[in-house]
Amino acid sequence: TQLLEQSPQFLSIQEGENLTVYCNSSSVFSSLQWYRQEPGEGPVLLVTVVTGGEVKKLKRLTFQFGDARKDSSLHITAAQPGDTGLYLCAVSGANSKLTFGKGITLSVRP
Amino acid sequence: GAVVSQHPSRVICKSGTSVKIECRSLDFQATTMFWYRQFPKKSLMLMATSNEGSKATYEQGVEKDKFLINHASLTLSTLTVTSAHPEDSSFYICSLHENNEKLFFGSGTQLSVL
Repeated sequence: TQLLEQSPQFLSIQEGENLTVYCNSSSVFSSLQWYRQEPGEGPVLLVTVVTGGEVKKLKRLTFQFGDARKDSSLHITAAQPGDTGLYLCAVSGANSKLTFGKGITLSVRP
Repeated sequence: GAVVSQHPSRVICKSGTSVKIECRSLDFQATTMFWYRQFPKKSLMLMATSNEGSKATYEQGVEKDKFLINHASLTLSTLTVTSAHPEDSSFYICSLHENNEKLFFGSGTQLSVL
């Protein structure tokens, strides 16, 4: 059973469109992280959300942590080709070990 | 923030050979490093936790004799894939924590076993 379910698995959109992707679980977490990974590179941390209901913005990216701290969403406004990549959510467990979702492959066409 | 250097970025080897991957912390002393494996367009799977000066802790299902980990100093951890086979072909990534907060990843090593 996957701890973190990410959806949709694949998304291909036109430049300028908005999109929302999700990271869901039946478990409660003290915090949740979002990463973006480009082909042939390691993941890069985008944000950490900690408080239930918290909303964090990073330029055109808006992250929200669910009130019950079981899920999170990532909204991208006016997507650009540079947003293309694999978006991973992750939670930290014992001994700082991270568990990742399967990721969302986003492709933004020019 | 911490900078993690991973080398080599890509390696192609023959079946049966061993391959060593290095992960260096350039500006931070890391007592713990993590090694992940990733298949194409899939998520990262934690393989093992590398502990400086002691034995690595392996996740369930990961063969410790197949994937040798050495963490001899606070700035270097190595992963050796022994007697590599085509099924070992994958993207291997190391990471470390800075002050148990942010997690920084190396740029990964693409291993292709022929």
